[in-house]
Amino acid sequence: ETGVTQSPTHLIKTRGQQVTLRCSSQSGHNTVSWYQQALGQGPQFIFQYYREEENGRGNFPPRFSGLQFPNYSSELNVNALELDDSALYLCASNPASSTQQYFGPGTRLTVT
Amino acid sequence: GQQVMQIPQYQHVQEGEDFTTYCNSSTTLSNIQWYKQRPGGHPVFLIQLVKSGEVKKQKRLTFQFGEAKKNSSLHITATQTTDVGTYFCAGWSGGSNYKLTFGKGTLLTVNP
Repeated sequence: ETGVTQSPTHLIKTRGQQVTLRCSSQSGHNTVSWYQQALGQGPQFIFQYYREEENGRGNFPPRFSGLQFPNYSSELNVNALELDDSALYLCASNPASSTQQYFGPGTRLTVT
Repeated sequence: GQQVMQIPQYQHVQEGEDFTTYCNSSTTLSNIQWYKQRPGGHPVFLIQLVKSGEVKKQKRLTFQFGEAKKNSSLHITATQTTDVGTYFCAGWSGGSNYKLTFGKGTLLTVNP
């Protein structure tokens, strides 16, 4: 059974740029969620996708957007990067029958 | 919006001592989950509590869900160095709009 994978591992971007982060769900999971974890903080829910539709959203501005593909992989896009967007971005998947989150290793984004 | 608060923020213990972290939600929860994140790692699911007053045990770990389903605790008996990490609670209020809210976590360090 393949776990949740994310790419890239690390990324450095400049303020104002755009970034795309990628995630492959665990086998058999059709729901994917994205979280932002700032240093020393708990993960903050960005949004969730189920069957390629957004199924819930946290308190993040519209410049945070996502996609889920038919194979249940997902992308997180962030436009107009700000310094405060520097964080660990975690992808998590779960089967529709459970809310238990299976997290990937994360992408460390640094905005300079 | 829903808030989940966790105390203490940090706890340092001698190996063999007990440890407890507490979690309080501003709203009634459908379920509460606990995760452990090792330094440099990603959150790993420990357990989910659903019923009012529920108590679950995993070896040296005891998890409780309050009668009002607004608070929870994690107790570790006789800590070991392998228990080091940050423990997060995460609450789900239920409903069709999915949103899992994490606390800020309790960082546990264990002195051998």
